[in-house]
Amino acid sequence: DTAVSQTPKYLVTQMGNDKSIKCEQNLGHDTMYWYKQDSKKFLKIMFSYNNKELIINETVPNRFSPKSPDKAHLNLHINSLELGDSAVYFCASSQVSPGVADTQYFGPGTRLTVL
Amino acid sequence: RKEVEQDPGPFNVPEGATVAFNCTYSNSASQSFFWYRQDCRKEPKLLMSVYSSGNEDGRFTAQLNRASQYISLLIRDSKLSDSATYLCVVTWSNYQLIWGAGTKLIIKP
Repeated sequence: DTAVSQTPKYLVTQMGNDKSIKCEQNLGHDTMYWYKQDSKKFLKIMFSYNNKELIINETVPNRFSPKSPDKAHLNLHINSLELGDSAVYFCASSQVSPGVADTQYFGPGTRLTVL
Repeated sequence: RKEVEQDPGPFNVPEGATVAFNCTYSNSASQSFFWYRQDCRKEPKLLMSVYSSGNEDGRFTAQLNRASQYISLLIRDSKLSDSATYLCVVTWSNYQLIWGAGTKLIIKP
């Protein structure tokens, strides 16, 4: 059974388009994350939700808008795509207890290419 | 100084050798430390947590040096399958996670 799943796996689109990436976890975790990994392989956290509440919102253009309809889902919508948005986007989840940082489980990634 | 820094490598190591690499962090209030492994074009996966007293898992040993603010990973009797990028993660609150850029390891036959 897939623990953290993302769709689509590959996304190729034109500059200026709007696209969404979906993420679902079946681990019963409270916290979900979106990461961006660029061509230099640097993994940078973008957002984190705990029980549907936004708790981390790093310096990310407001063209990126996360949405968590329930604690098992965290979707990422991107408006007006730019060339620099090309990267691999990873969703992750963890069962974070207060005061304890926990293992993160990652989805397989969505490889976004903006032309 | 970067918040979490790793030598990007690549480290080219013959099979069977021992290899070690470090990860330095800038925030002395850092609380938790982890090593993740990422294979090419795959997602990161937890390799091991790093405990204050150091810990071992088979051929892998992780150490924490709070005074000098670094963690280390030692791999003994390296296998071809150990070839990957090793990422360190440092946290200083429940939700502040800083990832290193990774150290690439290539094990050669």
